[in-house]
Amino acid sequence: QVQLVQSGAEMRNPGSSVKVSCKVSRTTFSSYTIHWVRQAPGQGLEWMGRTIPMFRAPIYAQKFQGRITITADESRTTVYMEVTTLRSEDTAVYYCAGGDYFDYWGQGSLVTVSS
Amino acid sequence: EIVLTQSPATLSLSPGERATLSCRASQSVSSYLAWYQQKGGQAPRLLIYDASTRATGIPARFSGSGSGTDFTLTISSLEPEDFAVYFCQQRSTWPLTFGGGTKVEIK
Repeated sequence: QVQLVQSGAEMRNPGSSVKVSCKVSRTTFSSYTIHWVRQAPGQGLEWMGRTIPMFRAPIYAQKFQGRITITADESRTTVYMEVTTLRSEDTAVYYCAGGDYFDYWGQGSLVTVSS
Repeated sequence: EIVLTQSPATLSLSPGERATLSCRASQSVSSYLAWYQQKGGQAPRLLIYDASTRATGIPARFSGSGSGTDFTLTISSLEPEDFAVYFCQQRSTWPLTFGGGTKVEIK
């Protein structure tokens, strides 16, 4: 069984950055695929990017290229996603999800961008 | 990017009825398609992957079919806990994409 536990809700001003974490409880962390998906209020699901920690080569959706960075700390078995230059449209629940498909999901981290 | 179009947007049915949800891809995704269920305020849950394989613990009333560009999720007899939003998702080509969702509501 895999558990993904995310960091808590965040509130940010437009133009700032936020870093969300995802603690992964799995024996083989380094070879496990972790994705980030977001869901704006009342909207659908949007894939943002993914990493496999051992390869250190994240793949990002073109829409977010240059504005998000996904990293992994193997000593903490934790994956992070930083989003920069936040705007109001980035207000959403951000999920991490594990597996080739999204087999396991974190509980979600609400990020609110508002002045 | 591959666009996934789900239909209908809303399906109004009664418990015990059969639900048939459609997902159409703008280009072939082979069998690299999954279905997820999402209930209010919760993270999605994987139901079906590789078009027709049920995920661990998913009841047999859920089945998936299709390949290429046309896919179907069938719920053979709706239980009260099945009323939710369903999304399809492809992993054939970057970027990974989701359909817009079908809401299955109680009639």
